[in-house]
Amino acid sequence: GNSVTQMEGPVTLSEEAFLTINCTYTATGYPSLFWYVQYPGEGLQLLLKATKADDKGSNKGFEATYRKETTSFHLEKGSVQVSDSAVYFCALYSSASKIIFGSGTRLSIRP
Amino acid sequence: NAGVTQTPKFQVLKTGQSMTLQCAQDMNHEYMSWYRQDPGMGLRLIHYSVGAGITDQGEVPNGYNVSRSTTEDFPLRLLSAAPSQTSVYFCASSYSKGAGLEQYFGPGTRLTVT
Repeated sequence: GNSVTQMEGPVTLSEEAFLTINCTYTATGYPSLFWYVQYPGEGLQLLLKATKADDKGSNKGFEATYRKETTSFHLEKGSVQVSDSAVYFCALYSSASKIIFGSGTRLSIRP
Repeated sequence: NAGVTQTPKFQVLKTGQSMTLQCAQDMNHEYMSWYRQDPGMGLRLIHYSVGAGITDQGEVPNGYNVSRSTTEDFPLRLLSAAPSQTSVYFCASSYSKGAGLEQYFGPGTRLTVT
């Protein structure tokens, strides 16, 4: 069946460092891919999405490119801030499996 | 808009007790769903609804019941609580369950079953 695998955390970086959080997926067909972010004490919020191969989603300085050849959707940001500290979830949607979330990656940014 | 609201924020139950977690949205969304979030396991879909009067099971439905009598409300019922149901529960909604559509999440209910 469909699945999402993302890098285990926690990830700790210094402010202004480059961020990559890896996400790979297994799916039949052509799923849509998402990154959600969860700030402490809150529900999840959609960060960005891509609905077809080679699409790039971007928001708040974060980017991710839908790579069908490597079945990946890695999240990147060029210069992280303390306010980016949160838990990040990769997810996929297909009509067969509905939405599936990865296990989440906790990101902590040091001032 | 209040978005998606959930009550209560926190709840402690004894094994065997029953309770209802409330979820409401004011965005006229057709699709609503319930998830549980457990450490290291991400979110898992419990039940979902594609419109008033229509519900279906997700990945982990056992021990939970839902109904959808109105577009706005989607309560989750625990019939006989078990310690394995200790978790954080999130309700979410979207315009439909179609690909690429954003889900809006409530703030969550933290449930402890002793």
